[in-house]
Amino acid sequence: QKEVEQNSGPLSVPEGAIASLNCTYSDRGSQSFFWYRQYSGKSPELIMFIYSNGDKEDGRFTAQLNKASQYVSLLIRDSQPSDSATYLCAVNGGSQGNLIFGKGTKLSVKP
Amino acid sequence: ETGVTQTPRHLVMGMTNKKSLKCEQHLGHNAMYWYKQSAKKPLELMFVYSLEERVENNSVPSRFSPECPNSSHLFLHLHTLQPEDSALYLCASSLRMGQGAHLNEKLFFGSGTQLSVL
Repeated sequence: QKEVEQNSGPLSVPEGAIASLNCTYSDRGSQSFFWYRQYSGKSPELIMFIYSNGDKEDGRFTAQLNKASQYVSLLIRDSQPSDSATYLCAVNGGSQGNLIFGKGTKLSVKP
Repeated sequence: ETGVTQTPRHLVMGMTNKKSLKCEQHLGHNAMYWYKQSAKKPLELMFVYSLEERVENNSVPSRFSPECPNSSHLFLHLHTLQPEDSALYLCASSLRMGQGAHLNEKLFFGSGTQLSVL
């Protein structure tokens, strides 16, 4: 059974701090990795994707991938209260390459 | 607005009712998906259609019946549901299905239907 693990949280950080969200996955053959943000009562929206080992930066967001450790993370710099949401890690898997999602980490940014 | 529209937003039904969920995408995508999201559980993939052909059915009970009449529309027909089927049902689309082509795997979700089965 291919799995994606995330700490469910809640992760609480003060405004302006760096929020660090972590995800591990079981399938060594996974090739693509995604972070979705889901506000309460809303649907998930894609915010970052990464395919290669190392870091990928987009504005205040940085995705980090370490395939050897089967670990992917999302850093949010200068966290804002509007970043408060559940962050879903998704990894490609299955014969058709469909995504497997983690349960999500709930982030709370306190003013 | 993601370009994926779901109706209704909320649905309450009894166990003997028959209802349908509708999804429409305006993105020119060729793959469409139904996901179930329950509290404290990961998103569960239910069905995948690629070019209107069902390509995956993840052991979903037969009380859920999908229909994809064309690449822009997707339905989920519901009948004799159980209270444990209460959840958020999300439709999504992607350019094409996965299979190693990374761009294909970016999912665009609709707003979901919050279903309550009494």
